[in-house]
Amino acid sequence: KAGVTQTPRYLIKTRGQQVTLSCSPISGHRSVSWYQQTPGQGLQFLFEYFSETQRNKGNFPGRFSGRQFSNSRSEMNVSTLELGDSALYLCASSLAVKGASDTQYFGPGTRLTVL
Amino acid sequence: AQKITQTQPGMFVQEKEAVTLDCTYDTSDPSYGLFWYKQPSSGEMIFLIYQGSYDQQNATEGRYSLNFQKARKSANLVISASQLGDSAMYFCAMRDAITGANSKLTFGKGITLSVRP
Repeated sequence: KAGVTQTPRYLIKTRGQQVTLSCSPISGHRSVSWYQQTPGQGLQFLFEYFSETQRNKGNFPGRFSGRQFSNSRSEMNVSTLELGDSALYLCASSLAVKGASDTQYFGPGTRLTVL
Repeated sequence: AQKITQTQPGMFVQEKEAVTLDCTYDTSDPSYGLFWYKQPSSGEMIFLIYQGSYDQQNATEGRYSLNFQKARKSANLVISASQLGDSAMYFCAMRDAITGANSKLTFGKGITLSVRP
């Protein structure tokens, strides 16, 4: 079974631009979560989508948004990029079973550099 | 609120020896799950092992085992017979079972493990 795929793998943008990142989950996985990883803040939860609906959201400004399509693929968008948005963006998918045991499987990440 | 603490500085281990990576956690929910992930320099987070709060036995997956001490709120990862490919960052994470929040993982800051030949 193919793993989680993310495109693009690397991205360079300038301040003020916007960017869209894509994530394809493992086949059969209905939940997609996004995380931002930086050296200073570590791994921080952005949001989670399930059945095309945002089910959970982290503490990020409204410039960060996402969506999920009917095939469970997800995109996240960052508008008006700031230097501090430079990070590794990780997508994770899961079966969305109830309870604490739902295991998230991660993609290789998209490394975004904002100049 | 959930909290994961990983305070060990960079860890070093000789190839073929065992190593323990520490993780302590805090939560007010009696039902929760603990996860360990490995992140090589390539960036991908690789799932290693899961332990549920109600599991009676410590989890094991191949060379990985979890030393779960619920009363002490610790979930240490034990890697046996270390290999050079084990050199990576290791993250402890948890999720509680509160409805509506059961998708979010809270991560620790990670521990760097270096395996020496």
